[in-house]
Amino acid sequence: ETGVTQTPRHLVMGMTNKKSLKCEQHLGHNAMYWYKQSAKKPLELMFVYSLEERVENNSVPSRFSPECPNSSHLFLHLHTLQPEDSALYLCASSQGGPRGNQPQHFGDGTRLSIL
Amino acid sequence: QKEVEQDPGPLSVPEGAIVSLNCTYSNSAFQYFMWYRQYSRKGPELLMYTYSSGNKEDGRFTAQVDKSSKYISLFIRDSQPSDSATYLCAMSGGNTGNQFYFGTGTSLTVIP
Repeated sequence: ETGVTQTPRHLVMGMTNKKSLKCEQHLGHNAMYWYKQSAKKPLELMFVYSLEERVENNSVPSRFSPECPNSSHLFLHLHTLQPEDSALYLCASSQGGPRGNQPQHFGDGTRLSIL
Repeated sequence: QKEVEQDPGPLSVPEGAIVSLNCTYSNSAFQYFMWYRQYSRKGPELLMYTYSSGNKEDGRFTAQVDKSSKYISLFIRDSQPSDSATYLCAMSGGNTGNQFYFGTGTSLTVIP
């Protein structure tokens, strides 16, 4: 496989469920990102992992928990989500980390719906 | 004031037309400018990546950066129905901590 792969593509869950989103990049990059994409809003950066650092957006609720076991894999653990968390969750990767200014390459996202 | 402003459209043009997509920004420290194309139910795909001011051409696509006006453009020549997508601008650099700032996207439809 090439590029950035995200699973599952679609996820429907109740507010009390716990689920995880998975991302895998095959580009040899050393930084990975989680974004939230909602209708008519700019992409919202949630978390960044690179060799040098982990950066998170302080406005992201604690019900979202990232995990990055290595430079190729990234997870987003979800628990007790709210209806306003329904959105497209995009994973991206880049070379050089968040301070390298290299363009980010995106997966096709997980469409999350909270009932 | 938003960091990046982009007209959401929708923009509808006939096949073969020249399309102009634009973004304005407020932070003069931005140095890196990108355009992404996002088809329905897909992730953003990098289309153009430029540094500082000037033009960059790739096939039917031309990206322009005017840092003095804080204005970037993407031109699509001889537009095709396959160009129908949402186009996102993005930028980074300078004193931003190198975080990427995205526009909201412009929805484009090219009518055959």
